[in-house]
Amino acid sequence: RKEVEQDPGPFNVPEGATVAFNCTYSNSASQSFFWYRQDCRKEPKLLMSVYSSGNEDGRFTAQLNRASQYISLLIRDSKLSDSATYLCVVNIQNQGGKLIFGQGTELSVKP
Amino acid sequence: NAGVTQTPKFQVLKTGQSMTLQCAQDMNHEYMSWYRQDPGMGLRLIHYSVGAGITDQGEVPNGYNVSRSTTEDFPLRLLSAAPSQTSVYFCASSYSFSLSGGKETQYFGPGTRLLVL
Repeated sequence: RKEVEQDPGPFNVPEGATVAFNCTYSNSASQSFFWYRQDCRKEPKLLMSVYSSGNEDGRFTAQLNRASQYISLLIRDSKLSDSATYLCVVNIQNQGGKLIFGQGTELSVKP
Repeated sequence: NAGVTQTPKFQVLKTGQSMTLQCAQDMNHEYMSWYRQDPGMGLRLIHYSVGAGITDQGEVPNGYNVSRSTTEDFPLRLLSAAPSQTSVYFCASSYSFSLSGGKETQYFGPGTRLLVL
């Protein structure tokens, strides 16, 4: 079983739609959680960190459920520019900062 | 600041050849790492370093060597290239994971696309 699992998609949605991505992690020692965004053939870039109480950044909302070991990302009012692959990332406690990446969920926002 | 730079952008090798992928950062980051990205696999950690002179293995270290003689540079060496090493390689850096409890942003370089024939 992969340490971090995501639905690979693709998710095809119209502009203005709300879309949600889920991610599960298997290591209970996971201590930090992130969503990264990766555009086609480019490097990943941090979208947002995920905090225990949940956090919001504009149209993006991240949630963490430690008991169920899952993380979610909600994108409201999708824009064409949101088309990308979204990577769920966890950092394992006491492992020197190693990040474990999910395989990514592809989002395509259509006009 | 140039951020994280990687060279070359593209490389074609023959099986058995060796080469070094270069990575440099000018942000005085302690932590540097190398990942490979393959279709359907996500990014997998090859090697990482928590400071000059200190390196450790990641998830897929076989066939690769690293060294960290300076804070700025973290080259990745392919000892004897194999077709299975065809991939996109990303170098990343961050200030200090140990101090931030793992909350530091990792900054990625633009990647090196490697094809081994």
